[in-house]
Amino acid sequence: SQTIHQWPATLVQPVGSPLSLECTVEGTSNPNLYWYRQAAGRGLQLLFYSVGIGQISSEVPQNLSASRPQDRQFILSSKKLLLSDSGFYLCASLRRDSYGYTFGSGTRLTVV
Amino acid sequence: LAKTTQPISMDSYEGQEVNITCSHNNIATNDYITWYQQFPSQGPRFIIQGYKTKVTNEVASLFIPADRKSSTLSLPRVSLSDTAVYYCLVGEIKMEYGNKLVFGAGTILRVKS
Repeated sequence: SQTIHQWPATLVQPVGSPLSLECTVEGTSNPNLYWYRQAAGRGLQLLFYSVGIGQISSEVPQNLSASRPQDRQFILSSKKLLLSDSGFYLCASLRRDSYGYTFGSGTRLTVV
Repeated sequence: LAKTTQPISMDSYEGQEVNITCSHNNIATNDYITWYQQFPSQGPRFIIQGYKTKVTNEVASLFIPADRKSSTLSLPRVSLSDTAVYYCLVGEIKMEYGNKLVFGAGTILRVKS
């Protein structure tokens, strides 16, 4: 079965600082990978998805970018964080056996 | 994308059966219906998925009528640990180019003792 590793679990960053969140996947090859963000008390917003190395699709214009340097690695970045970037960031992989997502444990980002 | 409508919240007591209904009037022919459970500060967890009629696994049952314009997640004999947010997603999955499944606000289920 698939396992998604995300780190760090929590992060407090000042406004204007850079960001790099990493997600790695075990138990599958060539997965479809996703970055979601969840604001407090809200649903999940799809930010980026990738169907392969170097292939990134952005769902909403924003201050963030994503990269996929390796088959099972997905990175979320920002050059300069904004207060509005605060939230709960989740990485997900699409399961091939049931068309469902497997999610990581998430990163709680607070921009101060 | 098929828009989904769920109740904002539901309350139940331990040992009861809970049914959460999701409306998706404009569901497309190739769309599947998937339900997820999310606890605070955790990623959502896949519960069950179906296309039509009834699907059952060790956790829940999913009932889908013939017109597929709604679906009902049934949780048998809930416990306090079932308190969570439940999301209904409707969409087509294409492995070749990913998908655009959208999570709505979900249904907050509160189980009381």
